[in-house]
Amino acid sequence: EIVMTQTPLSLPVTPGEPASISCRSSQSLLDRDDGETSLDWYLQKPGQSPQLLIYTLSNRAPGVPDRFSGSGSGTDFTLKISRVEAEDVGIYYCMQRIEFPFTFGPGTKVEIK
Amino acid sequence: QVQLVQSGAEVKKPGSSVKVSCKASGGSFSTYGISWVRQAPGQGLVWMGGIIPVFGTAKYAQVLQGRVTISADEGTNTAYMELNSLRSEDTAVYFCVRGIGAHAWTLAHWGQGTLLTVSS
Repeated sequence: EIVMTQTPLSLPVTPGEPASISCRSSQSLLDRDDGETSLDWYLQKPGQSPQLLIYTLSNRAPGVPDRFSGSGSGTDFTLKISRVEAEDVGIYYCMQRIEFPFTFGPGTKVEIK
Repeated sequence: QVQLVQSGAEVKKPGSSVKVSCKASGGSFSTYGISWVRQAPGQGLVWMGGIIPVFGTAKYAQVLQGRVTISADEGTNTAYMELNSLRSEDTAVYFCVRGIGAHAWTLAHWGQGTLLTVSS
């Protein structure tokens, strides 16, 4: 199965400052049939169900603020928050869905400094 | 508006089985992936398996293969996850999740979660 890794695992952030999380997969997530990259990002806020932030590498889910962006290619991916807000705290997960079984990264815990 | 409502918390003994339901409303049921994701206390997310109801064939994570069965009833827009031979390590919150748009397997719409406690 595809192994997903994330760095850092813990990220203290300052409101108003940018933040970045990296995700790496053990094999390419590029689907050569349709040219899309099957990498999604999720945020689990404290005490809540996870929510979809970014799908297929760089598409923001409905209702997700434009301060969130996803990028990358092949096996290396990045989630960026242009200006962190207090409501952005939680655990961020990347997930591959190019092949079964889908696999998540270990999660990055974002906290306010 | 898509909504997934899961059955309530369960307490089970080791060796027994559990069947969790997930009723969907709003939008199509049959043509999107319904995945099951679990989260042990203080741990990360694990994809257990999923099904696209109109196709009927489920996919599973190898670590659970043989103990988990995922099914769907198109008549009632309800998906099910049955886990057998329960162990204490199966204590977790179980989520059902539905896809979105052209990306049937994206985990877009999440249920509220069902807490399963396995204890003697």
